[in-house]
Amino acid sequence: EAGVAQSPRYKIIEKRQSVAFWCNPISGHATLYWYQQILGQGPKLLIQFQNNGVVDDSQLPKDRFSAERLKGVDSTLKIQPAKLEDSAVYLCASSLGLVGIYEQYFGPGTRLTVT
Amino acid sequence: GDSVTQMEGPVTLSEEAFLTINCTYTATGYPSLFWYVQYPGEGLQLLLKATKADDKGSNKGFEATYRKETTSFHLEKGSVQVSDSAVYFCALSPSYRGAQKLVFGQGTRLTINP
Repeated sequence: EAGVAQSPRYKIIEKRQSVAFWCNPISGHATLYWYQQILGQGPKLLIQFQNNGVVDDSQLPKDRFSAERLKGVDSTLKIQPAKLEDSAVYLCASSLGLVGIYEQYFGPGTRLTVT
Repeated sequence: GDSVTQMEGPVTLSEEAFLTINCTYTATGYPSLFWYVQYPGEGLQLLLKATKADDKGSNKGFEATYRKETTSFHLEKGSVQVSDSAVYFCALSPSYRGAQKLVFGQGTRLTINP
């Protein structure tokens, strides 16, 4: 079974530029998550989708971050314009359903450096 | 709000030593509790979990018991190996209806020397 795929793996941009990350979850997984992991910290949930609907985006900085999940499969996360403090690893995860019952599987992440 | 506090790292041990990584949480009701591990160059992987009080999660020689009275979920292993070197994250999933997210602690970096 293929795991969660993410691209690109690394990205370096200047502040005020825009960037997009792509995630392909495990086939059949209805729930998709984007997390931000700043160096030395644990992952923090940015947004959660159930199929193609948003369940939780309470910690997404909506003035600069946006995300979509077309047709309930792939997802993209965009930052526009980027700030220095957005430097982090962006993790995508997916699960069949309720996290207390179903395991959440993580992708390898995209490491973003904003200069 | 819900939060997880882990033992400060980094932790360095010799092979075959006993390991404890402390984890305490703050949450409403009865959250599910997890330990995730991130090996060098790899993504986060679920190590073990417990979904109700007094449950013990175990995997690969690691154990953790869900202690409601002390709001803790400490990770233990009786004899660590060099291959256990990784970053360990304690996490919870809130118990309220519809919540499916994970709230992570800050992580503890473990290094095992031969």
